[in-house]
Amino acid sequence: GEDVEQSLFLSVREGDSSVINCTYTDSSSTYLYWYKQEPGAGLQLLTYIFSNMDMKQDQRLTVLLNKKDKHLSLRIADTQTGDSAIYFCAERGTGGFKTIFGAGTRLFVKA
Amino acid sequence: GAVVSQHPSWVICKSGTSVKIECRSLDFQATTMFWYRQFPKQSLMLMATSNEGSKATYEQGVEKDKFLINHASLTLSTLTVTSAHPEDSSFYICSAHGQGAPDTQYFGPGTRLTVL
Repeated sequence: GEDVEQSLFLSVREGDSSVINCTYTDSSSTYLYWYKQEPGAGLQLLTYIFSNMDMKQDQRLTVLLNKKDKHLSLRIADTQTGDSAIYFCAERGTGGFKTIFGAGTRLFVKA
Repeated sequence: GAVVSQHPSWVICKSGTSVKIECRSLDFQATTMFWYRQFPKQSLMLMATSNEGSKATYEQGVEKDKFLINHASLTLSTLTVTSAHPEDSSFYICSAHGQGAPDTQYFGPGTRLTVL
């Protein structure tokens, strides 16, 4: 079945760039997403990329997609303490709206 | 952007009672809503897909008689945890797709259920 994997933790210093990586198995993925979850809250959509794109940039966020390797990354430039949260990678295939989530990467930003 | 609300945001109940959680799309019509369960420090587990006016589709291993889902209108879906037990304690999150948001899901803030 479909699977999405992420590393569990990442720690960076304030002002540095953060790169969160994700791999997925469904070669028919149409959309790939990055969500942010702060403690005790629901998920906030950060950005998404269509499967026919290689890169998408949105202010401090850069998403890179390597479809051949089924690898997705999220780069956060100039990471701030407010960026500390759990980041979920997710993919959606062609069979409707069902979305598969990774386990989440917990980002710690040190001041 | 699209807004999804959940009510209540947290609930504490006694073992054996039933609890209803509401999920509303506030500024768009949601033809499809999803219910997820999230355990501490873990990812979201899809429980069921709810389509307006039809029966929900449950994921494997989710008891449909235990978790009753109703999607009576284009803006409201409810999840009822029947005869709740302490192992049902969790964070329940809904999300919605709609005509105004075809490319992604918009998530509610979640409901924390604690069963004593």
